Amino acid sequence: GAGVSQSPRYKVAKRGQDVALRCDPISGHVSLFWYQQALGQGPEFLTYFQNEAQLDKSGLPSDRFFAERPEGSVSTLKIQRTQQEDSAVYLCASSTPTGGNIQYFGAGTRLSVL
Amino acid sequence: QKEVEQNSGPLSVPEGAIASLNCTYSDRGSQSFFWYRQYSGKSPELIMSIYSNGDKEDGRFTAQLNKASQYVSLLIRDSQPSDSATYLCAVNMRGQAGTALIFGKGTTLSVSS
Repeated sequence: GAGVSQSPRYKVAKRGQDVALRCDPISGHVSLFWYQQALGQGPEFLTYFQNEAQLDKSGLPSDRFFAERPEGSVSTLKIQRTQQEDSAVYLCASSTPTGGNIQYFGAGTRLSVL
Repeated sequence: QKEVEQNSGPLSVPEGAIASLNCTYSDRGSQSFFWYRQYSGKSPELIMSIYSNGDKEDGRFTAQLNKASQYVSLLIRDSQPSDSATYLCAVNMRGQAGTALIFGKGTTLSVSS
């Protein structure tokens, strides 16, 4: 596609529910990143994929967070047993090695946990 | 702890003035530097990238990098009300594809007409 696509744009979950957030990167971009952005803060790194391989998950805040990219394209970020502190905007970005490591961001998913 | 620091602002300038946004970073090994603009409720949009010491100009925007001082800045000339947004400084520590960006908290710019 023309840009990074994320869905849903908004998600409201009750505390304890599981949620799944989807990211469709720019076509041909092998690198895919997930970031979490709290209100008034800059994005913070969660995890990174190169094709289907998850090469860095050091930013995932707990074992309730899980990400996958099984076919090296679309990625899903799953949060189990959501907590209020999980409320944030989840941003997906993709990049290509020949592009100066420039990361292009999707519109994000705003998650609100009640 | 690898950090990127920005003055949160708000930075207020009149229309037509020069806006100067500053950023410092802690990791001397950082290789790639980016400025993103983020409108309220929107995603970050790349404004400038810079990789070597000196100035890089693109239209009304100039990025300046000083690796010895671990300092990167963004100048916006002839500021317009549409430039009002939060500007995020981001640093890539190793300059390699696949390395996460470390972001500052952002500086809020307000341009008054």
